[in-house]
Amino acid sequence: DTGVSQDPRHKITKRGQNVTFRCDPISEHNRLYWYRQTLGQGPEFLTYFQNEAQLEKSRLLSDRFSAERPKGSFSTLEIQRTEQGDSAMYLCASSQTSGDPYNEQFFGPGTRLTVL
Amino acid sequence: AQTVTQSQPEMSVQEAETVTLSCTYDTSESDYYLFWYKQPPSRQMILVIRQEAYKQQNATENRFSVNFQKAAKSFSLKISDSQLGDAAMYFCAYKAGANNLFFGTGTRLTVIP
Repeated sequence: DTGVSQDPRHKITKRGQNVTFRCDPISEHNRLYWYRQTLGQGPEFLTYFQNEAQLEKSRLLSDRFSAERPKGSFSTLEIQRTEQGDSAMYLCASSQTSGDPYNEQFFGPGTRLTVL
Repeated sequence: AQTVTQSQPEMSVQEAETVTLSCTYDTSESDYYLFWYKQPPSRQMILVIRQEAYKQQNATENRFSVNFQKAAKSFSLKISDSQLGDAAMYFCAYKAGANNLFFGTGTRLTVIP
């Protein structure tokens, strides 16, 4: 396993369209996180899963956003009716809760979304 | 609420010199974790160094070390013998328990040859 992967790396869409991003975590990691990073800012937490259960959602995650992690493996993040304010880098991270007190998160390369 | 503040949007350092990046945070937790992440241009974020709050000894990783002042809620990163490859955005981050990270706004480090 070479790390966290995300697909696509870049996505350009028109306002009002739906988009879906995929994240494949490190295989033995049971936690998966989604963050959003806008230009000049640090990443902001959106949501996280432990196995297939979505345990926490940020207030940033409006009802246009939905995330899933079926079978506790890969995860998808869907944005419906995209708005220009959704333009950002969407980062995925994964971690293992056992054996590491730091619960270190390993990040993927991100999906850069541009909404025209 | 947890907040992380990085007051230096940009820093520069001569190659082979030492630079210190500042970070302060606010929390009511007694045990937590602090991290410095590096994000090179167009590349993914990687962990540079980490510190657990109850450990008084400052963490070191080769040329990278931290100055952790728990009472002052300060967590600065020192990079010694700076190299061209150290040029990147550096983010300070906080975490309590096995939950999500709170990041600062970052410091862009430029290394001058």
